[in-house]
Amino acid sequence: DSGVTQTPKHLITATGQRVTLRCSPRSGDLSVYWYQQSLDQGLQFLIQYYNGEERAKGNILERFSAQQFPDLHSELNLSSLELGDSALYFCASSASWATDTQYFGPGTRLTVL
Amino acid sequence: GIQVEQSPPDLILQEGANSTLRCNFSDSVNNLQWFHQNPWGQLINLFYIPSGTKQNGRLSATTVATERYSLLYISSSQTTDSGVYFCAVGSSNTGKLIFGQGTTLQVKP
Repeated sequence: DSGVTQTPKHLITATGQRVTLRCSPRSGDLSVYWYQQSLDQGLQFLIQYYNGEERAKGNILERFSAQQFPDLHSELNLSSLELGDSALYFCASSASWATDTQYFGPGTRLTVL
Repeated sequence: GIQVEQSPPDLILQEGANSTLRCNFSDSVNNLQWFHQNPWGQLINLFYIPSGTKQNGRLSATTVATERYSLLYISSSQTTDSGVYFCAVGSSNTGKLIFGQGTTLQVKP
C-alpha cells in the first residue's frame, strides 16, 4: 500500500458526460500528480500541483481540469467525455516539487461507452 | 523532450532465472524511477535512482547518468515478478515523469 488513495476504483459512463476523480496524497506529501495510461499512448503525465498551486502541465486536454484543495487532496475533472478517454488514471504524490520519489495510487479505471 | 527507451520489450523466463532490463534516456536527468505494474494494474515503486547503485532483496538497479542509461537486475525470478516494468525519468524543476514503453516480463513455473 503506497498510502495514496483514489476513488472511485472503476467508473463507467457515456460519451458527453462529466466525471470527477478524487485523490488523497500520502500524509505529509505536498505534490500531487495525475497520469493517464492508455493502450495507444502508454503512461502520460497530465498535471502537477504543489501545495495548492499548479506546478507543471503536460498534454492535458482542455476538456480536463484539476485542482488541489487546502487539505491537499486533488480532483481531476473530465468533461464532454469521448470514447478515447477510456483509460486508467493514476494519481501520485511526493514530498517535494521535483526530484523526489513519487508514490502511485491504485488508479481509477474509466470506461466511456 | 527527453526520449526514454526500454529493452527488451518482452521477456519470458523460467522461475529461478536472472534477468537484466535496460533503460536508455536521451538527455541528462535529475529523477529516475523504476516501477513494477502487476497484473492488477498497480504501479509499485521499486527504486528512486537518478545515479548510483541500490539493492533491495532480489532486485538491484544501477544508473550511469553520464552515459544515460539505467539497468534493473532481477535475480532468482519468481512467478510473482511477472508484469510490466517501467522506467520513468524527470529532467526539469518539476516532478513531471516521462515513462518508457515498458518491458513485459513473464516468469513461468
